[in-house]
Amino acid sequence: AQKVTQAQTEISVVEKEDVTLDCVYETRDTTYYLFWYKQPPSGELVFLIRRNSFDEQNEISGRYSWNFQKSTSSFNFTITASQVVDSAVYFCALSEAQRGNKLVFGAGTILRVKS
Amino acid sequence: NAGVTQTPKFRILKIGQSMTLQCTQDMNHNYMYWYRQDPGMGLKLIYYSVGAGITDKGEVPNGYNVSRSTTEDFPLRLELAAPSQTSVYFCASRFPQGRESGANVLTFGAGSRLTVL
Repeated sequence: AQKVTQAQTEISVVEKEDVTLDCVYETRDTTYYLFWYKQPPSGELVFLIRRNSFDEQNEISGRYSWNFQKSTSSFNFTITASQVVDSAVYFCALSEAQRGNKLVFGAGTILRVKS
Repeated sequence: NAGVTQTPKFRILKIGQSMTLQCTQDMNHNYMYWYRQDPGMGLKLIYYSVGAGITDKGEVPNGYNVSRSTTEDFPLRLELAAPSQTSVYFCASRFPQGRESGANVLTFGAGSRLTVL
C-alpha cells in the first residue's frame, strides 16, 4: 500500500539556517510520482515540486533543493538560508500510476523560522 | 481563469443537519478529489472522481456522498452531520497522470472550514 512518512512533526530554526525536511515513502509500483506542497498560515496549499520515479535527477530552485533517492525511498527537501516567510507546514505526497491515481499525503512537518 | 472554487468558505452546522460543499473547476480537468484536514493533521482522501459519472471512495468516505454529473462540478454532501466531521475540506483537480511537466499536479481550492456543534 502507498504510504508517506514525515517523521519530523515540527522543526524550529533561526533565520538564515539551512533546514532539511525528511520524507520516506512506500510503494509497490515501479512508476510513481512524488510531490512537496507548502501550506502557509493562510491555509492554502501551494505546489512546490513534482518528481517522477524514473527521474532521479536532483533539483535546485533558488533556496530550495530536493534529494530523491530510490534506494532509500526518500525524497527530502532542503531550504537554504531560511527566512521567516518559509514558516509553514510542508507536506510530502505520493501518487502511484497503478492505484487509481490517488494522491496520499504525509502528516506534514511544521517549520518555524524565527528571526 | 478561476481555478478551483469552493463554497462556502465557512459553515457551522448543528448535529444531524445536512449540507453540500460545492466545488467547481474551469480547467477542464478530468480528475477531482475531496480531502479533509483535521487540526494539526495531514490530508485524508474522502472521495475522488476520474471523470463525469465515475466516483470512488478514498480513505475516509463514511458519512459523505459525492456525485459527478459534469466535468466541472464535484459536490460533497454531508448527511447527518457529526462533530467528528468538523474539519477543513479541500477540493482539488488535475489532468490524468503523465510524464509531461505539470501532469499529476493537483490544483487545490482555498478550502471550506466546517464546524459541527
